[in-house]
Amino acid sequence: NAGVTQTPKFQVLKTGQSMTLQCAQDMNHNSMYWYRQDPGMGLRLIYYSASEGTTDKGEVPNGYNVSRLNKREFSLRLESAAPSQTSVYFCASILLDEQYFGPGTRLTVT
Amino acid sequence: ILNVEQSPQSLHVQEGDSTNFTCSFPSSNFYALHWYRWETAKSPEALFVMTLNGDEKKKGRISATLNTKEGYSYLYIKGSQPEDSATYLCAFISSGGSNYKLTFGKGTLLTVNP
Repeated sequence: NAGVTQTPKFQVLKTGQSMTLQCAQDMNHNSMYWYRQDPGMGLRLIYYSASEGTTDKGEVPNGYNVSRLNKREFSLRLESAAPSQTSVYFCASILLDEQYFGPGTRLTVT
Repeated sequence: ILNVEQSPQSLHVQEGDSTNFTCSFPSSNFYALHWYRWETAKSPEALFVMTLNGDEKKKGRISATLNTKEGYSYLYIKGSQPEDSATYLCAFISSGGSNYKLTFGKGTLLTVNP
């Protein structure tokens, strides 16, 4: 039981490049979330998925797309990275009284 | 977007002091409230899950209370230690039929000086 895994842990992109952040959980949780964390801003919700095949926008969805193809995996895609997307990204798998965060992905866009 | 407020934004205390901070949330559609402890460069660590009005939970020197009717929760730390320095986040879970949504506050940054 690995909990929530995220890849990569670090990434540097140039403006305009694209990439996908991967998140997987092996706890059979229905809900999965993507957050970004910026200094002084706390955790802000980008997208969430209440169940397999469904996704909803959170507080800051612009510039991102997500995909929940199966119960286990929830990916976050940046189609054309911008410096404003430099941040630490956390994936979370949450089932009411069970909550687990991935280790985070530190993304820098130059 | 649900409004979850935490106060104060930051707090400096001396070792041995007791302290508390607040999480305010909407009083409607309440399902649960989570408290997390978050150290720099680590993932948030769950402290408490609170679901019932009047809940009081305790873990060591840290405790929390919940008032769902007025929409607030308090987190208390007794006899603060330098290792308690962290950001403390609350997260409000709302329910709407079969859908649940989790919204974080911005956190309270606690610094405990030795």
